[in-house]
Amino acid sequence: DTAVSQTPKYLVTQMGNDKSIKCEQNLGHDTMYWYKQDSKKFLKIMFSYNNKELIINETVPNRFSPKSPDKAHLNLHINSLELGDSAVYFCASRPKADYTQYFGPGTRLTVL
Amino acid sequence: GQNIDQPTEMTATEGAIVQINCTYQTSGFNGLFWYQQHAGEAPTFLSYNVLDGLEEKGRFSSFLSRSKGYSYLLLKELQMKDSASYLCATMDSNYQLIWGAGTKLIIKP
Repeated sequence: DTAVSQTPKYLVTQMGNDKSIKCEQNLGHDTMYWYKQDSKKFLKIMFSYNNKELIINETVPNRFSPKSPDKAHLNLHINSLELGDSAVYFCASRPKADYTQYFGPGTRLTVL
Repeated sequence: GQNIDQPTEMTATEGAIVQINCTYQTSGFNGLFWYQQHAGEAPTFLSYNVLDGLEEKGRFSSFLSRSKGYSYLLLKELQMKDSASYLCATMDSNYQLIWGAGTKLIIKP
């Protein structure tokens, strides 16, 4: 299947831990994104990568770091997790010639 | 600044028509998207409008008026599976999407 995939789908962890969420797209897209969707359902852009270069970095705490080993992957690493980090994190990608973004299934992160 | 407003929740009857409105104020504008998001799932693309007017795609249509900062999504012949949240998003001058909070649509039999 051609798609955007994320792992894990659910992540439950303790405050203070470090965790990573992986994202892969096999659509051949050039740009990938990470979004956070909180309990109020707002989607907020966190990061964007285009050809392995960070092109958007909103006011996100530096505990969050995106890592892109190649054009098809954009992973999200989070250090020292806090209660407020609990949310659903979506990865998305889009092709060069189109502004439509395609989303992964999401990772529900719960910090206890 | 960026601001997108859409109703929090709407209710409609199966087989009927519903219009979901979205108003926006953005510092730059490169088009407006509508996405559908079922509970617990990812947003999926519905439509993209960059010019004024109505775009029709099956049971769904989307309208844009750039001068009024206004768009709507029109859903016809509603089905139970249309129960979902509908997200309005504008694309700013940096081609970044700015999202509204979404409208939860409840379809009743």
